[in-house]
Amino acid sequence: GAVVSQHPSWVICKSGTSVKIECRSLDFQATTMFWYRQFPKQSLMLMATSNEGSKATYEQGVEKDKFLINHASLTLSTLTVTSAHPEDSSFYICSARDGREGFSDTQYFGPGTRLTVL
Amino acid sequence: KNQVEQSPQSLIILEGKNCTLQCNYTVSPFSNLRWYKQDTGRGPVSLTIMTFSENTKSNGRYTATLDADTKQSSLHITASQLSDSASYICVVSAGNFNKFYFGSGTKLNVKP
Repeated sequence: GAVVSQHPSWVICKSGTSVKIECRSLDFQATTMFWYRQFPKQSLMLMATSNEGSKATYEQGVEKDKFLINHASLTLSTLTVTSAHPEDSSFYICSARDGREGFSDTQYFGPGTRLTVL
Repeated sequence: KNQVEQSPQSLIILEGKNCTLQCNYTVSPFSNLRWYKQDTGRGPVSLTIMTFSENTKSNGRYTATLDADTKQSSLHITASQLSDSASYICVVSAGNFNKFYFGSGTKLNVKP
């Protein structure tokens, strides 16, 4: 099956620093990648949708200048949390949509990145 | 309004017992419905995917059903194991493939 990886799996940083999270589709080309945030005991909340080569589309209430998304290739998308604060501490999960014919409605999730901001 | 509602919110069962989780949706146009299992601290993993024309699909001890007329789906877990303890999320894909609607999940706890 299709595999999506995330790096790092966990990160601890100081308040005010920036953190970059990578999301890679390992064995397929992802025309679209999604970024989610999940707080404890809550469901996934979609933050933004990114299409390769174009600007990401952010969900209402998500600051695009704080959560920078780059989808530079068909296998890599990055989420940078800029000037992180403790309230940004969360579990960040990416997913990738397989762009192949007949697979376009399939979404594969990464294992998630636990961000803790001190 | 496109919504996905899951019930129950949480469930505790004894190991070896069966259970059924529910998912009701109002998403239109409907493309497909997926059940995911999410272990604590991990990303969701797909269990089953069902399109409009499919009524039931199995994956080992997991069996999903879909009634497209009533817009309801269920996930039945047979002979539960301790490793089944997780959150189960129902996700409905709308006709335009970039829209996925998530249920809030059912937290299942299987006790020995």
